[in-house]
Amino acid sequence: GEDVEQSLFLSVREGDSSVINCTYTDSSSTYLYWYKQEPGAGLQLLTYIFSNMDMKQDQRLTVLLNKKDKHLSLRIADTQTGDSAIYFCAALMPGGYNKLIFGAGTRLAVHP
Amino acid sequence: SQTIHQWPATLVQPVGSPLSLECTVEGTSNPNLYWYRQAAGRGLQLLFYSVGIGQISSEVPQNLSASRPQDRQFILSSKKLLLSDSGFYLCAWSVTGSLGEKLFFGSGTQLSVL
Repeated sequence: GEDVEQSLFLSVREGDSSVINCTYTDSSSTYLYWYKQEPGAGLQLLTYIFSNMDMKQDQRLTVLLNKKDKHLSLRIADTQTGDSAIYFCAALMPGGYNKLIFGAGTRLAVHP
Repeated sequence: SQTIHQWPATLVQPVGSPLSLECTVEGTSNPNLYWYRQAAGRGLQLLFYSVGIGQISSEVPQNLSASRPQDRQFILSSKKLLLSDSGFYLCAWSVTGSLGEKLFFGSGTQLSVL
């Protein structure tokens, strides 16, 4: 079945760029997503990319997709303390119903 | 606009006690509904999903059950809680038939079984 993997922790300095990486195993994944979870809260959809795209930019967020390597990344420009959270990568598996497989999440810590 | 409500926010229950977590969605009809569990330091595990009233599918065998008595109501239950049922439970909804399945999550319930 599909497996989605992420590194568990990333620490960056305020103002720097953050890059969170994700790999997935099933090449039939049609959409890939990034979700943000702040402490004690649910997940908030940040952005998503369709599998036939290489890049998507949305303000400070840039998503890069390397479909050949099944690698997805999320770049946050000018990282702020408010960006500190857990970021989840998810892959959509087509089938009888649309099922999202989530990674374990990357905890981003932003320090001054 | 659509909103999702999930309650309670936190719950402490003794082992062997029953459980009922409720989730309701407003502003949409016939949504797909999901229950996820997030264990500490781990990703989200899909527990149940539902595409309509009374239609429940289970992803993993477990001590929990789900029901959908109304179109926009999803309930997670257990007759007797185990210690291993502790975790952060998230309800989510998505629009049926949309291109790409964007999930929208509730604020979660932190369940501690002692």
